[in-house]
Amino acid sequence: NAGVTQTPKFRVLKTGQSMTLLCAQDMNHEYMYWYRQDPGMGLRLIHYSVGEGTTAKGEVPDGYNVSRLKKQNFLLGLESAAPSQTSVYFCASSYGSSSRNEQFFGPGTRLTVL
Amino acid sequence: DQQVKQNSPSLSVQEGRISILNCDYTNSMFDYFLWYKKYPAEGPTFLISISSIKDKNEDGRFTVFLNKSAKHLSLHIVPSQPGDSAVYFCAAKPDFGNEKLTFGTGTRLTIIP
Repeated sequence: NAGVTQTPKFRVLKTGQSMTLLCAQDMNHEYMYWYRQDPGMGLRLIHYSVGEGTTAKGEVPDGYNVSRLKKQNFLLGLESAAPSQTSVYFCASSYGSSSRNEQFFGPGTRLTVL
Repeated sequence: DQQVKQNSPSLSVQEGRISILNCDYTNSMFDYFLWYKKYPAEGPTFLISISSIKDKNEDGRFTVFLNKSAKHLSLHIVPSQPGDSAVYFCAAKPDFGNEKLTFGTGTRLTIIP
């Protein structure tokens, strides 16, 4: 099993450009999450999904959109990138919301917006 | 408003000694706590967790202690090994069907050979 994979690993954008980050998991997990990690800030939840076709806002959703058309995939979109969105983005998945369900993380995507 | 705090950004420990990483939280609704370990250029990986009904949970060299009245938890690593050098994140969530984890800012642990 590959676990959680993220595409691409690195990307440089110019301000105003758009892009989509792809997350895929092969563990049949119901829940999927997008986080961003910034220096001194820890991981902050952007959006999450509790099942195919559903999405919800996290702590820092502004400037991002998501879609979960298939259970195994969770896409994060930036419609008009801004330098403040320079960050490392992590996708995660879990079986469900039970307290015992740990989240499994992908390797991250390092995004730079110039 | 940082609900989960790791006040030590970094910690250096001699190989073979005990490493103690600390975490404080402010939200009294938090009922389940996790520690994640992160190596450079990799995603965080789950290490150990504890429910509020316990005050201690052990897994091999790793032990997590919870002091609910003080809203404080700690991770003990004994003995510390070079492979333990990583960033450690504390995370918390309410125990009732809430999928959102709140993470601390992390502590970078360096084990000195």
